[in-house]
Amino acid sequence: GDSVTQMEGPVTLSEEAFLTINCTYTATGYPSLFWYVQYPGEGLQLLLKATKADDKGSNKGFEATYRKETTSFHLEKGSVQVSDSAVYFCALSVLNTGFQKLVFGTGTRLLVSP
Amino acid sequence: DVKVTQSSRYLVKRTGEKVFLECVQDMDHENMFWYRQDPGLGLRLIYFSYDVKMKEKGDIPEGYSVSREKKERFSLILESASTNQTSMYLCASRQGTGNRERSPLHFGNGTRLTVT
Repeated sequence: GDSVTQMEGPVTLSEEAFLTINCTYTATGYPSLFWYVQYPGEGLQLLLKATKADDKGSNKGFEATYRKETTSFHLEKGSVQVSDSAVYFCALSVLNTGFQKLVFGTGTRLLVSP
Repeated sequence: DVKVTQSSRYLVKRTGEKVFLECVQDMDHENMFWYRQDPGLGLRLIYFSYDVKMKEKGDIPEGYSVSREKKERFSLILESASTNQTSMYLCASRQGTGNRERSPLHFGNGTRLTVT
């Protein structure tokens, strides 16, 4: 079935370090791919998205490229800040029995220290 | 900005109680969803609704039901709460025409339910 696999957390970094959070997926058809972020005490909010192969989504310094050949959508940021500490969820949207169903990964917690 | 409001931030209920979790969105979205979030399991879809009075089972509907009498409101009902339903519950909405939309979800801040 359709699924998303994320790297286990927590990921612990110092401020200004480079971030990569790996995400790979399995899907039939042509999914859209998303990264959501959940700050402490809040719900999830969309960080970025890509709807077709080779698209690059970007927002707030974060980037991810839809790689169909490796079925991946890794999240990167060149220089993290303490305020980036949160849980990051990779997700795909795929047509399922006539409805766009969103499938989430298990989330990766990022901790950034000063 | 889309606002999805969940009526309670924290709830504590006893085993066997009937529990209502309420969710309201203010952007006239057609689609609404209930997820539960558990450590190590991510988000799992309980029920969704793509229009008023329409409802569909998600991946883990057992022990839950839903109600969508008005477009802006989507209620999750635990008919007889059990301890394994202790979790964080997240409501979400999405703009959609029919049921084929790839728009992103907009989430509420969650309700942390503890069943003792």
